[in-house]
Amino acid sequence: NAGVTQTPKFQVLKTGQSMTLQCAQDMNHNSMYWYRQDPGMGLRLIYYSASEGTTDKGEVPNGYNVSRLNKREFSLRLESAAPSQTSVYFCASSDTQPQHFGDGTRLSIL
Amino acid sequence: ELKVEQNPLFLSMQEGKNYTIYCNYSTTSDRLYWYRQDPGKSLESLFVLLSNGAVKQEGRLMASLDTKARLSTLHITAAVHDLSATYFCAVIYSGYALNFGKGTSLLVTP
Repeated sequence: NAGVTQTPKFQVLKTGQSMTLQCAQDMNHNSMYWYRQDPGMGLRLIYYSASEGTTDKGEVPNGYNVSRLNKREFSLRLESAAPSQTSVYFCASSDTQPQHFGDGTRLSIL
Repeated sequence: ELKVEQNPLFLSMQEGKNYTIYCNYSTTSDRLYWYRQDPGKSLESLFVLLSNGAVKQEGRLMASLDTKARLSTLHITAAVHDLSATYFCAVIYSGYALNFGKGTSLLVTP
C-alpha cells in the first residue's frame, strides 16, 4: 500500500537554485498539505489544498509555491532556495482526519 | 492564533514506570490528534480525540481530551523501550490543517 509518496527522499541544493518536491497520494483524498519540520519546532504548515483546484497559505508560506496538479498530486516549489529552507518536508493527505503522512524529503541548501 | 504547547519536551524514564505528557492549546477546538515519530521516519497516527471527555487506549498508551480546559494528556503505563520516540499532539485549525506542538522526545531506559 503506497499511501502518500514523496520524491525525492534526499536533495542537496546550492543557494539560489530552484527545485520542485513531488507528492502523490493513492487514497482518493480531497485535502493535501505540505509541512516543514525543523529541530525543536515541530511541524509547521507551509501550504494546503482543501480540494482539487484550491490552495491556501499556511503558517510559513514565504519562499514557496504550490500546485495542485490533480486530485492525486500536490507539488511544492522553491524558486530560489535559501539556507533557511534547509529542513525535512512532509506531505500529507486526508479526507476525514487523521492526516496520512509521506516519508519526507530531507533538503539541504548550501 | 492557535498555539499548541506540549510538556515536557524531553522525557527520560525507566522501564516499568508511568508518566504523562501534557498538551495545552489556546483556542477552542474539539478535535485533537496524537502522532508518534521514530527517528528519521514519518509520522504515525496514534489517537484521534473528537469530543470532550474522549478517552482512547492502545496498549500502554492512553489519551484523553478535556475541551473545557483545552488540555489533552497522553499517559504511558509501565513503559517499555519500544515506546521510545517523539510524540506530537496536533489541533485542527482553519477547518483542515493541523497545528502541531513541538513534540515530546521520550527515551525509555532499562
